[in-house]
Amino acid sequence: GEDVEQSLFLSVREGDSSVINCTYTDSSSTYLYWYKQEPGAGLQLLTYIFSNMDMKQDQRLTVLLNKKDKHLSLRIADTQTGDSAIYFCADGSSGGYNKLIFGAGTRLAVHP
Amino acid sequence: DGGITQSPKYLFRKEGQNVTLSCEQNLNHDAMYWYRQDPGQGLRLIYYSQIVNDFQKGDIAEGYSVSREKKESFPLTVTSAQKNPTAFYLCASSIPGAPSSPLHFGNGTRLTVT
Repeated sequence: GEDVEQSLFLSVREGDSSVINCTYTDSSSTYLYWYKQEPGAGLQLLTYIFSNMDMKQDQRLTVLLNKKDKHLSLRIADTQTGDSAIYFCADGSSGGYNKLIFGAGTRLAVHP
Repeated sequence: DGGITQSPKYLFRKEGQNVTLSCEQNLNHDAMYWYRQDPGQGLRLIYYSQIVNDFQKGDIAEGYSVSREKKESFPLTVTSAQKNPTAFYLCASSIPGAPSSPLHFGNGTRLTVT
């Protein structure tokens, strides 16, 4: 079946940039999403990118998509302690409902 | 404010008992979903519903049941047939068939079965 893979852990210093990477296998993906989960909470949509785009920027967040390599990345500029969370990459199909395939999540730890 | 409410936040049950998790939304979304989250794994889809009185199995439906009698409500029952029920359960809703419409998630219910 279709799959999404992410590294499980990333540690960065406060003020540095964080880059979280994701690879997916579904060739029919139309949208790719990044969600953030804080401890004990649900997931919050951070941003998404349509599959015919290479890049999307939204304030401190930059999403890069390499469709040929099926590689997605999320860059967080000027990372703050409030950015510490689990970040999930999700792959959306063009089905009749939002069937998203989620990666295992990358735990971002921001230290002083 | 519109949103999704899951209750309770923590739930403890003895093995062999059925338990029902509540999910209510006031976003007027037609589609609702249940996901299961285990440490180190992505979210896995249990059941989803696109309209009232209709629902479909997701990838890991065995041992679970749902109902969708009202647009606002999509309760999940974890039955005694579910072999490994201890997990974090997340309910979500969305506008169906709109890829740019994000899933809105509740804050989850952590179920512990001993």
